[in-house]
Amino acid sequence: ILNVEQSPQSLHVQEGDSTNFTCSFPSSNFYALHWYRWETAKSPEALFVMTLNGDEKKKGRISATLNTKEGYSYLYIKGSQPEDSATYLCASNAGGTSYGKLTFGQGTILTVHP
Amino acid sequence: DTAVSQTPKYLVTQMGNDKSIKCEQNLGHDTMYWYKQDSKKFLKIMFSYNNKELIINETVPNRFSPKSPDKAHLNLHINSLELGDSAVYFCASSQEWTANQPQHFGDGTRLSIL
Repeated sequence: ILNVEQSPQSLHVQEGDSTNFTCSFPSSNFYALHWYRWETAKSPEALFVMTLNGDEKKKGRISATLNTKEGYSYLYIKGSQPEDSATYLCASNAGGTSYGKLTFGQGTILTVHP
Repeated sequence: DTAVSQTPKYLVTQMGNDKSIKCEQNLGHDTMYWYKQDSKKFLKIMFSYNNKELIINETVPNRFSPKSPDKAHLNLHINSLELGDSAVYFCASSQEWTANQPQHFGDGTRLSIL
């Protein structure tokens, strides 16, 4: 993998469902993996920054895991609510020459139906 | 108080004009960034400044020139605007220039070239 890739591109779930999506990134020169939540007409908001293989982070009903050896991270949302509807972006420095520079994925658009 | 603020929010102008977008952060961060959201919705890094020093300068036409008068401000000046410059431009900041720092984004400036 040369770039940061997210799947699926979009997802529709019912209120109360739990869901998850994937971020894949190059496993070489890894330093950090970011998750952002981006609501329509607002700015991206940082959810998590993860650096260690096996890291797990949690914020309310949202959690994330990290596997740096195989180059993927999962974001989980438990009991989705309509207010969780947003685009979820991941970003990593991995694969690049500059550890301070992030490459963003295209995002997963989540729609939670009441 | 808005942490990262960009002005203007919308900019509609004619091809060939010169325009500037301003960005200010009140978080006391050392590092600021300009991103362009391309037609496929990817956020692509353009420039980054750390303590007023240019540290990332991606392959961007030299019609684009960033200026950082102090570490709280990073402005983007664009000369001889072209149709392909139409996009949403985002400013962001982080505490330091390392990939393990979350980035804080402005609301974006939607630039439309007629």
